[in-house]
Amino acid sequence: DTAVSQTPKYLVTQMGNDKSIKCEQNLGHDTMYWYKQDSKKFLKIMFSYNNKELIINETVPNRFSPKSPDKAHLNLHINSLELGDSAVYFCASSHHDTSKSPLHFGNGTRLTVT
Amino acid sequence: AQSVSQHNHHVILSEAASLELGCNYSYGGTVNLFWYVQYPGQHLQLLLKYFSGDPLVKGIKGFEAEFIKSKFSFNLRKPSVQWSDTAEYFCAVKPGNTGKLIFGQGTTLQVKP
Repeated sequence: DTAVSQTPKYLVTQMGNDKSIKCEQNLGHDTMYWYKQDSKKFLKIMFSYNNKELIINETVPNRFSPKSPDKAHLNLHINSLELGDSAVYFCASSHHDTSKSPLHFGNGTRLTVT
Repeated sequence: AQSVSQHNHHVILSEAASLELGCNYSYGGTVNLFWYVQYPGQHLQLLLKYFSGDPLVKGIKGFEAEFIKSKFSFNLRKPSVQWSDTAEYFCAVKPGNTGKLIFGQGTTLQVKP
């Protein structure tokens, strides 16, 4: 019944490892996003995909690579994890009517890099 | 660059007190405005949104917000808060014809019973 679901909910890993976070939405939306929430709760957009096509790519290290196999899924792969990558990562989705569609968020993935 | 500023970082109120959280944005064109709430340990949920028309919009749980174009502001209000309103509140703006939602830094609201 969950609209936007992310897995895993918690991810604890060591520096240098590679990890992935998965996201799926069943709302019929055609646009999906990844946001990063830092320790001060600030939310910043990382990527946005519309119908599997990358449309927003903020200044994010190349170690972060989103992949969208279809419009209902947007996964985030992170290579060579660093301490500064520790954060909560939120997936979201919306209709692609540019400006009016609100985003629906997943429950977040708390990534801790040790 | 487009930005959103929330003036109050941490607000502590007693139950039944009135609430107003400030939000200002920097963008000269058409904007669509949102307030989201994040309860402890949960995801962000939409409280209310403004696209056009009546600048006073009502959302869920008794919240409302007023868009004042001349002040580039979209302040959130509630006449009487409850303990269950304890949460993080985020103002967000979608400028013009972009799909990019820009968030303010958030306000932590703590309501004491």
